[in-house]
Amino acid sequence: SQKIEQNSEALNIQEGKTATLTCNYTNYSPAYLQWYRQDPGRGPVFLLLIRENEKEKRKERLKVTFDTTLKQSLFHITASQPADSATYLCALTNDYKLSFGAGTTVTVRA
Amino acid sequence: DVKVTQSSRYLVKRTGEKVFLECVQDMDHENMFWYRQDPGLGLRLIYFSYDVKMKEKGDIPEGYSVSREKKERFSLILESASTNQTSMYLCASSHDRGRETQYFGPGTRLLVL
Repeated sequence: SQKIEQNSEALNIQEGKTATLTCNYTNYSPAYLQWYRQDPGRGPVFLLLIRENEKEKRKERLKVTFDTTLKQSLFHITASQPADSATYLCALTNDYKLSFGAGTTVTVRA
Repeated sequence: DVKVTQSSRYLVKRTGEKVFLECVQDMDHENMFWYRQDPGLGLRLIYFSYDVKMKEKGDIPEGYSVSREKKERFSLILESASTNQTSMYLCASSHDRGRETQYFGPGTRLLVL
């Protein structure tokens, strides 16, 4: 069966450190993979999209990698700040729809 | 600025009631989606629409129906609300079919008593 797994439900890190989130998938062949941020009580907000032929994408302090052999994406937040505290969702293109992981909640301590 | 709005942020209904959740987008997007989000389960697709008057079932359509009479508006209908439909409901829209980003509304937290 198809499955999208994000490494853990919660990640607590110290301000200034790098947060690394993992998204693993099985029985998908996504052409695109996206990462979203969701704050409590709000809808998800798009952050980054990476295509299957791209290895890495960056946007400011965010970096995403996509390894179609390992069937894994890594999402990095460098120089983390308390304002980065949120839930981060990965999403795969699946037959013209998006399928989402359950998310990882990141808490950055000052 | 891109905008997706949902008719209510919070809603309390009784079992058996008919419930309408409305979503409006101002981006002239072809595609609109309804999800529900429950703790530990992530976002699950209920229904989606690629054009006016067109609808397709998502992963969990049972107990729901939808209506898209105008391009900018996509309604989710709970014909007879049940307690297991208590959830956060999120509407989204996109320009391209699954490849580009989806823009989400703020969500409606529905409680069915």
